[in-house]
Amino acid sequence: EIVLTQSPATLSLSPGERATLSCRASQSISRYLAWYQHKPGQAPRLLFYDASNRATGIPARFSGSGSGTDFTLTISSLEPEDFAVYYCQQRNSWPITFGQGTRLEIK
Amino acid sequence: QVQLVESGGGVVQPGRSLRLSCAASGFSFSNFGMHWVRQAPGKGLEWVAVISYDGSNKYYGDSVKGRFTISRDNSKNTVYLQMNSLRAEDTAIYYCAKEHPGISHFDSWGQGTLVTVSS
Repeated sequence: EIVLTQSPATLSLSPGERATLSCRASQSISRYLAWYQHKPGQAPRLLFYDASNRATGIPARFSGSGSGTDFTLTISSLEPEDFAVYYCQQRNSWPITFGQGTRLEIK
Repeated sequence: QVQLVESGGGVVQPGRSLRLSCAASGFSFSNFGMHWVRQAPGKGLEWVAVISYDGSNKYYGDSVKGRFTISRDNSKNTVYLQMNSLRAEDTAIYYCAKEHPGISHFDSWGQGTLVTVSS
């Protein structure tokens, strides 16, 4: 099973600041990684698939990058609605696995 | 627009069974693989199972293998999760999710249904 480790566990920032979230895989997963945003009481929302392909309706302030074992989700300038939990997910091999999440909170 | 509506959750005793349903609309259901993903209270997301567009292929997470069965009825645009031998650790919100075309990333999710396993 491929283990995804996200860091940091919690990120405290202010609106307007830049956020950088990391996801590291226990073995190479090529570019087969997605990022999701999850707010309490809502369904998760796909942000990026296959590392850097922006999903429909995702603002340009979000960007995804990486390949192999190291991946990054960047939010260039935080908006109030961006504060949520973010998960990465790999589809390189079964079983599909998620990272444990990064909580992005308002400082 | 894509809509996924889960149902069938509730409170069930350990060792008993429950069947979840996910009714889909707004897309060509029979062309897409479908998944179940769960979130235990205070925990992260955990992938549970997948079924291919035609039902011919199924895979399961290790924690549910042998106890849960995923199925689909393309005539009813519905995917199911039969959960047997339930344990306290199966307590979670269960989401169904639609695959992005051709790949196992999830571009649409339902709102989830809560399953509580407790005596």
